[in-house]
Amino acid sequence: GQSLEQPSEVTAVEGAIVQINCTYQTSGFYGLSWYQQHDGGAPTFLSYNALDGLEEKGRFSSFLSRSKGYSYLLLKELQMKDSASYLCAVGGGWNFNKFYFGSGTKLNVKP
Amino acid sequence: DTEVTQTPKHLVMGMTNKKSLKCEQHMGHRAMYWYKQKAKKPPELMFVYSYEKLSINESVPSRFSPECPNSSLLNLHLHALQPEDSALYLCASSNRGGTNEKLFFGSGTQLSVL
Repeated sequence: GQSLEQPSEVTAVEGAIVQINCTYQTSGFYGLSWYQQHDGGAPTFLSYNALDGLEEKGRFSSFLSRSKGYSYLLLKELQMKDSASYLCAVGGGWNFNKFYFGSGTKLNVKP
Repeated sequence: DTEVTQTPKHLVMGMTNKKSLKCEQHMGHRAMYWYKQKAKKPPELMFVYSYEKLSINESVPSRFSPECPNSSLLNLHLHALQPEDSALYLCASSNRGGTNEKLFFGSGTQLSVL
């Protein structure tokens, strides 16, 4: 089965850098992705790691270490609009079209 | 067109009603999904259709009945629901195969069962 754990809430200041962690115990997956979800909205795709290491996309970066069962999402130059929930998810690939989500982290950005 | 369209946006139904949720995408994606999300919880996978065939059913009660009429459409038929089924129902699609790492979500149907 899949088990992905995230901190429930993180608070940071506008302009700062924040890291949101995701630790997992899973029987196997193709890749790990991150989604942003504003209150009342649908999740939107942010980033994906199929291989270990850092993937950078503008203000967002994501890191994966399969040997440590660990991923993080790094958000730089925080803006008020970044206040949202952030979800890690495993799945994808040719035969792994099950996508399972972590518990989600609520990010509060303060002025 | 990178949108997944869901209708209706809001639905209130009684426990004896029959209703359907609809989802449409025109991105040529061959995998389509139904997720259920309760407040402050992550989305929970319900069903996956791959090439218009049901490939995954996560032990969902039979009062939820999915249907995939063609490669662009996905329905979820609801019958004899319980109040605990009240939730946000999300449809999603993805490429099948290769690097299908990204789920595209619709805006969801907020369902209330009275």
